[in-house]
Amino acid sequence: DSGVTQTPKHLITATGQRVTLRCSPRSGDLSVYWYQQSLDQGLQFLIQYYNGEERAKGNILERFSAQQFPDLHSELNLSSLELGDSALYFCASSVAPLGGGAAGELFFGEGSRLTVL
Amino acid sequence: DAKTTQPPSMDCAEGRAANLPCNHSTISGNEYVYWYRQIHSQGPQYIIHGLKNNETNEMASLIITEDRKSSTLILPHATLRDTAVYYCIVSDNQGGKLIFGQGTELSVKP
Repeated sequence: DSGVTQTPKHLITATGQRVTLRCSPRSGDLSVYWYQQSLDQGLQFLIQYYNGEERAKGNILERFSAQQFPDLHSELNLSSLELGDSALYFCASSVAPLGGGAAGELFFGEGSRLTVL
Repeated sequence: DAKTTQPPSMDCAEGRAANLPCNHSTISGNEYVYWYRQIHSQGPQYIIHGLKNNETNEMASLIITEDRKSSTLILPHATLRDTAVYYCIVSDNQGGKLIFGQGTELSVKP
C-alpha cells in the first residue's frame, strides 16, 4: 500500500459525459502528479501540483482540468469524454517536487480505470 | 526533456541476475536516473535512483557509467514476481516531472 488513495477504482460512462477522479496523497506529501495510461500511449504525464499551485504541465487536453485543494487532495476533471479517453489514470505524490537537483520517490496510487462507451 | 532508450523486452531465468540496460546520453549534470517497475496494470513502483555513484538497496543495484550516459539496473536474484515492465527515467530539470518511456518488459522464467 503506497498510501495514495484514488477513487473511484472503476468508472464506466458514455461519450460526451463529464467525470471527476479524486486523489488523496500520502500524509505529508505536498506534490501531486497525474498520469494517463492507455494501451497505445504508455504512461503519459498530465499535470503536477505543489501545495495547491500548478507546477508543471504535460500533454493534458483542454477538455481536462485539475486542481489541488487546501487539504492537498487533488481532482482531475475530464469533460466531453471521447472513446479515446478510456484509460487508467494514476495519481502519484511526493514530499516535494523533483528536479532542479532535488530527488525523491513518487508514490503511485492503484489508479482509476475509466471506460467510455 | 532528457530521453532514455531501453530494449523493449528481456528474458531472465529465475534465480539468475537480471541486468536491464538504459541509455540516457542527453542527461544533464544534476538530473537523476530513476527506475520504476509496473506489474500488470498496478501503479508503478519505485525501485531506486542515482546521480553519479552506484547505488544499492534491498530491491536492486544501480550502476551508472562514469560519463553518466548509460546505466544498468541489476536485480541480483530474479524471481517470478519480478516479471514486470521496468522504466528507466531521467528527471526533468525544470519542473521535476518524471517522463516515462516505453520501458523494458522483463519476463522471468522458471
